[in-house]
Amino acid sequence: KAGVTQTPRYLIKTRGQQVTLSCSPISGHRSVSWYQQTPGQGLQFLFEYFSETQRNKGNFPGRFSGRQFSNSRSEMNVSTLELGDSALYLCASSHGTGGQETQYFGPGTRLLVL
Amino acid sequence: EDKVVQSPLSLVVHEGDTVTLNCSYEVTNFRSLLWYKQEKKAPTFLFMLTSSGIEKKSGRLSSILDKKELSSILNITATQTGDSAIYLCAVIGYGGSQGNLIFGKGTKLSVKP
Repeated sequence: KAGVTQTPRYLIKTRGQQVTLSCSPISGHRSVSWYQQTPGQGLQFLFEYFSETQRNKGNFPGRFSGRQFSNSRSEMNVSTLELGDSALYLCASSHGTGGQETQYFGPGTRLLVL
Repeated sequence: EDKVVQSPLSLVVHEGDTVTLNCSYEVTNFRSLLWYKQEKKAPTFLFMLTSSGIEKKSGRLSSILDKKELSSILNITATQTGDSAIYLCAVIGYGGSQGNLIFGKGTKLSVKP
């Protein structure tokens, strides 16, 4: 079974631009969660999507948004980029139901904002 | 506020040593605790512990959940250089604005030959 895939793997943007990251979950998984990882803050939860609906949300500003499509693929968008948005963005998928919450991570997208 | 605290933050041992990593949590409506290993890329899943499964073992790695003490330990016996990584503990609970995994900052383990 193929794992979680994320595209692109690396991205360089400048302040004020916007960016869209993509995540394809493991086949059969309906839940996709997004995390931001930085050396100072560690892994922080952004949001979770399940069956095309945002089910949970972390404490990030509205510049961070996402969506999920009917095939469970998910996109994350960050608008008006700031230097502090430079980070590794990880998505993780799981079944999302029946106590099967174990999340499997993709390789991540490393975003550098200049 | 829900939180997960791991200790120590970093650890240096020699091959063959046994290590114990600690994770304590304060989470509303605890459901399960997960351990992950992160090398240079994304975290890889190790164990999930719940009320019905408080002890797990896989090879040289084992983990125990203490629901009374709100904590868990991850043991690695006969360590190898390939065990060098950051070990992350995460908890799933329901409450507040984070109904998803809450991660600790991790323990960075370095195993020297």
